[in-house]
Amino acid sequence: EAQVTQNPRYLITVTGKKLTVTCSQNMNHEYMSWYRQDPGLGLRQIYYSMNVEVTDKGDVPEGYKVSRKEKRNFPLILESPSPNQTSLYFCASTSLKMGGEVAGELFFGEGSRLTVL
Amino acid sequence: GQNIDQPTEMTATEGAIVQINCTYQTSGFNGLFWYQQHAGEAPTFLSYNVLDGLEEKGRFSSFLSRSKGYSYLLLKELQMKDSASYLCAVKDSNYQLIWGAGTKLIIKP
Repeated sequence: EAQVTQNPRYLITVTGKKLTVTCSQNMNHEYMSWYRQDPGLGLRQIYYSMNVEVTDKGDVPEGYKVSRKEKRNFPLILESPSPNQTSLYFCASTSLKMGGEVAGELFFGEGSRLTVL
Repeated sequence: GQNIDQPTEMTATEGAIVQINCTYQTSGFNGLFWYQQHAGEAPTFLSYNVLDGLEEKGRFSSFLSRSKGYSYLLLKELQMKDSASYLCAVKDSNYQLIWGAGTKLIIKP
């Protein structure tokens, strides 16, 4: 089954304790992206990747890191989480056309709800 | 700046028709998406418009007017399961997606 898998789905942590949210897709997609979603603000892009070893900042990258060592995996790293990073996080993937255009619909993971105390 | 506007919340009755509007001002336009998102769940794809006009898909239709920077999602024969948020997203000149904040649709019996 084609899917995007995120882990953990739920996490409560404390300020400053490093954490990683994993994301894996089995559709051989070039493009992967991380979003956070907060009430009234919609989806905001954190980082995205057009291919292996190619990552770019989105609209709200501060406090986050990513890596793309393999095509299928795109982990999100919070080196020193703070309460303002409490949010619902989504990983998404899709294929790209020639020239780097997002080809079609984004496929989303089920979401990771993070609480930082 | 880039901006996408949608109503925050709408209420409709089961069996009725509802139209959710989306207006956009973006740096370029390369297509518009509509997604459905149930509370606490991932967004799921509904439709994609790149040319002007109406695209019909079952009970859901999506309309686009590029000259007006306007789209709407039309939901017919509303069912209780249609209670969800509906997200509008525009692909800009850099082929990046710009997201609206979403419209929460409440269906009443």
